[in-house]
Amino acid sequence: GQQVMQIPQYQHVQEGEDFTTYCNSSTTLSNIQWYKQRPGGHPVFLIQLVKSGEVKKQKRLTFQFGEAKKNSSLHITATQTTDVGTYFCAGWLETSGSRLTFGEGTQLTVNP
Amino acid sequence: SAVISQKPSRDICQRGTSLTIQCQVDSQVTMMFWYRQQPGQSLTLIATANQGSEATYESGFVIDKFPISRPNLTFSTLTVSNMSPEDSSIYLCSVLGYSLEQYFGPGTRLTVT
Repeated sequence: GQQVMQIPQYQHVQEGEDFTTYCNSSTTLSNIQWYKQRPGGHPVFLIQLVKSGEVKKQKRLTFQFGEAKKNSSLHITATQTTDVGTYFCAGWLETSGSRLTFGEGTQLTVNP
Repeated sequence: SAVISQKPSRDICQRGTSLTIQCQVDSQVTMMFWYRQQPGQSLTLIATANQGSEATYESGFVIDKFPISRPNLTFSTLTVSNMSPEDSSIYLCSVLGYSLEQYFGPGTRLTVT
């Protein structure tokens, strides 16, 4: 079954509001990756977190990896219309060998 | 990062026929992957294709239905055989980057009528 869960499935925000998506795994992750897929496009790699408790920032995006390496979050400050798309977390499960397991994704829409 | 191209970008096929999707990478890579993505859904891994060995298929996917070739380190093909409308989907190839990130091709949108 699905081993990487992501919530919410959908999020609608007004431009300027903040947005957060959460990712949880039933097993410990070797690392967590985040991807963005624009409507009609393909997933594009954003960032990878490896260390327990790690926090990384990319402009308005903040990524966190939980202390237990079982959860992660992506927070966008002051969303813009260019942030529209589906955000996927993906993890290398310590038990899955060479397989990257994707979450279900959070589809973000931003109303101007 | 790697630059990946896929052919065709889209196709409409009749049930019972087969379609071969090509994936070309601009650099040599060890591991290539084939995914399927239904509209609005997540990515489902079909198989891992390594050069010089048989592809490794995920549960629910079999070689007879999705034969894969990997003749060299820059190219792979996925064939969707004996298609049915349930095979309508987006098919994506991807490669593994140096830091275990994945780079995806633009996808092939397949519609089976």
